[in-house]
Amino acid sequence: EAQVTQNPRYLITVTGKKLTVTCSQNMNHEYMSWYRQDPGLGLRQIYYSMNVEVTDKGDVPEGYKVSRKEKRNFPLILESPSPNQTSLYFCASSFRAGASTGELFFGEGSRLTVL
Amino acid sequence: DAKTTQPNSMESNEEEPVHLPCNHSTISGTDYIHWYRQLPSQGPEYVIHGLTSNVNNRMASLAIAEDRKSSTLILHRATLRDAAVYYCILRDYFGNEKLTFGTGTRLTIIP
Repeated sequence: EAQVTQNPRYLITVTGKKLTVTCSQNMNHEYMSWYRQDPGLGLRQIYYSMNVEVTDKGDVPEGYKVSRKEKRNFPLILESPSPNQTSLYFCASSFRAGASTGELFFGEGSRLTVL
Repeated sequence: DAKTTQPNSMESNEEEPVHLPCNHSTISGTDYIHWYRQLPSQGPEYVIHGLTSNVNNRMASLAIAEDRKSSTLILHRATLRDAAVYYCILRDYFGNEKLTFGTGTRLTIIP
C-alpha cells in the first residue's frame, strides 16, 4: 500500500531535549516536505527536499533541521525544542511537479507538545 | 511565491452542489492548480489538479477561468462526509516547490 509514515504520532517532551520525527515513503517520490499546522494559521511549510541531498527552507524553518540521505526518508530534527514548537506536524511526498501525477501524499500527522 | 486566496468558510445543504472559489491572480504559465482537503483529525488528501482545461474525477470537478486567475472546485452533490477544510495551492511545473497552503475554506454541510 502506498503510504507516508510518520513516527511518533504523539509525543510530549520538555524544552531543550533533542528529538527527531521520522518520515518515510514507499512510492519512490523525489519530493518530500514538512509542514506544521496551528489553529488559525493553516499549513505552513517548514522545509522541503527536491531529491536526495537537496533541501531548502520553507516559510518557517527556524528551530528545525532536516536531512535527506536516502530517497525514502526525510526526518525532521528539533535540536532544542521550545514550547512555541508545540504543533501538529505533517510530512508529505510526491513525484516532481512536472510529472504526470504530481499530487502530494500526506502522512497522518505527529502531534508534538513541548513543555 | 505564488499565492492563493480563499473564503474562510462556506456552508452548503446536503445533496446540493458546492462551488468553492480560489483566486490566484499572480499565477504563472507553468503553475498547476491543486486542490486538497483535510477531514477532521486527518492529514490533507489530494482532490484534483489542472493546468488550463477543466478537469473531472470521481471526487470533484475543477473549473479554471480562461485567464487562469481563478478556479472553482465543484462538489456535485455534497454529503456530510465532504465537510472539511479545502485548500487551493499552486504548484510550479518547473519546480519551485516552496508550497503555500494558507488557511483554506472550511466547508460545513447542513443536513
